[in-house]
Amino acid sequence: NAGVTQTPKFQVLKTGQSMTLQCAQDMNHEYMSWYRQDPGMGLRLIHYSVGAGITDQGEVPNGYNVSRSTTEDFPLRLLSAAPSQTSVYFCASSYSGSGVSKNIQYFGAGTRLSVL
Amino acid sequence: DAKTTQPPSMDCAEGRAANLPCNHSTISGNEYVYWYRQIHSQGPQYIIHGLKNNETNEMASLIITEDRKSSTLILPHATLRDTAVYYCIVRVGTGNQFYFGTGTSLTVIP
Repeated sequence: NAGVTQTPKFQVLKTGQSMTLQCAQDMNHEYMSWYRQDPGMGLRLIHYSVGAGITDQGEVPNGYNVSRSTTEDFPLRLLSAAPSQTSVYFCASSYSGSGVSKNIQYFGAGTRLSVL
Repeated sequence: DAKTTQPPSMDCAEGRAANLPCNHSTISGNEYVYWYRQIHSQGPQYIIHGLKNNETNEMASLIITEDRKSSTLILPHATLRDTAVYYCIVRVGTGNQFYFGTGTSLTVIP
């Protein structure tokens, strides 16, 4: 059972470059989200999706785009990387139906991004 | 919007119970409280959640006050492997956003 898979694990970019962080889940979860974690801080929500074709902004969406064409995949795009986007990025998914398992989020291992 | 407040750090002796408090005084009446932990820089791991009754599973116990304004996560016999940052989270607003905050860094001392 793979759970939530993030690729790549590490990435170094130059300022102005673009890239896509990949996230895939095999649990048929409707809800997926992206967080960033800066040193010594908690997780801040970037974007989230409640199902295929539906996305919304979180707390810190500027500089990032997302799309959700399938239930399984939720890529995060950095349009023009800036040093302020140096962070660890986590993707999560959860079941959003009814029942006691609702909203329990499962996290990927993270992508460590450095922007020079 | 519902948010949480946790002490930044705590120590606990190995083998003793670790009690981690969380204040969530603005939580809505039908919202759950979730607890996660993050070991080193790994992805957060779900521990337990509850609405208004006390809950227990193989990892921990969760005590929620009757007014639901605060809760305590209890690790009954802390081990060195329990050293981690513990997050108490609640849903923010009416959407699907969850507020993580900065959590409590628990250090289990041998």
